[in-house]
Amino acid sequence: GAGVSQTPSNKVTEKGKYVELRCDPISGHTALYWYRQSLGQGPEFLIYFQGTGAADDSGLPNDRFFAVRPEGSVSTLKIQRTERGDSAVYLCASSLSPRGALRSYNEQFFGPGTRLTVL
Amino acid sequence: KNEVEQSPQNLTAQEGEFITINCSYSVGISALHWLQQHPGGGIVSLFMLSSGKKKHGRLIATINIQEKHSSLHITASHPRDSAVYICAVRFNFGNEKLTFGTGTRLTIIP
Repeated sequence: GAGVSQTPSNKVTEKGKYVELRCDPISGHTALYWYRQSLGQGPEFLIYFQGTGAADDSGLPNDRFFAVRPEGSVSTLKIQRTERGDSAVYLCASSLSPRGALRSYNEQFFGPGTRLTVL
Repeated sequence: KNEVEQSPQNLTAQEGEFITINCSYSVGISALHWLQQHPGGGIVSLFMLSSGKKKHGRLIATINIQEKHSSLHITASHPRDSAVYICAVRFNFGNEKLTFGTGTRLTIIP
């Protein structure tokens, strides 16, 4: 079946502009994650959705960053007033919901990422 | 603080050599991923493990829960194995998110 897809694959924008990055998770995956990977670094957590709601948004760096998942499937990461420091690869991953009372971990599947460059 | 450390940061080897990449973490985990990332490409999960050892082709991943340490081995390395290898863990008390190491850049020379 289809994997996680992300659009666009590349986005170049100017400082101060608004951008939207889209993630289509694997069908049936209720959990969706956004991560950000700066050059030469490992990815860092941004936000995690369980269904339509953000279960943990503690990784969002500031209030310029916002993400939605209105129907519990596709998610959009929105960045306002972009800054050069926002340049990074934005990764999306999805998984089945945590299992059982102990919330056993389900494997996350990653999309190809969106490379954002802010000039 | 929940941390993940990888070593080495960079590794260059000749084709055919046996490769080992190490990952250590600070507190208990429920799962550990080994991920592969090619230049300009997305991330592919090679293994997910919580105990013991897994093997897929020329790749072997091991984990020692008591020592909080995992290794990724590549046998008979090939230039197409050149990539960044990333260790990521789900800490027991860190909700569902993954915490990543900084990656190991592997270059295999023909």
